[in-house]
Amino acid sequence: DSGVTQTPKHLITATGQRVTLRCSPRSGDLSVYWYQQSLDQGLQFLIQYYNGEERAKGNILERFSAQQFPDLHSELNLSSLELGDSALYFCASSPWGSNEQFFGPGTRLTVL
Amino acid sequence: GESVGLHLPTLSVQEGDNSIINCAYSNSASDYFIWYKQESGKGPQFIIDIRSNMDKRQGQRVTVLLNKTVKHLSLQIAATQPGDSAVYFCAENGDQAGTALIFGKGTTLSVSS
Repeated sequence: DSGVTQTPKHLITATGQRVTLRCSPRSGDLSVYWYQQSLDQGLQFLIQYYNGEERAKGNILERFSAQQFPDLHSELNLSSLELGDSALYFCASSPWGSNEQFFGPGTRLTVL
Repeated sequence: GESVGLHLPTLSVQEGDNSIINCAYSNSASDYFIWYKQESGKGPQFIIDIRSNMDKRQGQRVTVLLNKTVKHLSLQIAATQPGDSAVYFCAENGDQAGTALIFGKGTTLSVSS
């Protein structure tokens, strides 16, 4: 158990809908990262937050957004969902000054 | 574009053998490399990391080798066990802002008894 929690574990929705994925980092970790893992793909970095502020952006679509709250939990919002958005979405956290990231169990999103 | 890749998508070994999983990276600015293990249905799990000022680092049954001259990274697993069966990813920090990691596509290690 990495100490990072993600909810829900599974999510099934329809095209055009909007969903919110939630992540709670390890206690004390200020950085939160979101990654997308599609079938046959490695993990693609989406976005990073540090202590409530956006720190870096990767291959995140404009239909996707995220935020980190004062209690350091983070939410990833996916809107106008398309079939191709079906994937595993992982959250990771890391302590200040460290490159090592601790991953949550992921949310499996299925768009029908 | 620059990316981290693995030489082989799959590797099959017998229990007790030593396994070597290779990875090539192309970003010269990367100074931190890490190996993750991902079991089916789970998130990636840290195995071992190495900084660019080192050539070799050893853990419990695992060794990471870094060859900066040819931009090559390898993970060696000694006395491979069935529980080692998983997908292994190498990752680098690249030269991007923040501390996000760039992942390769992964090698699936299958260990048979």
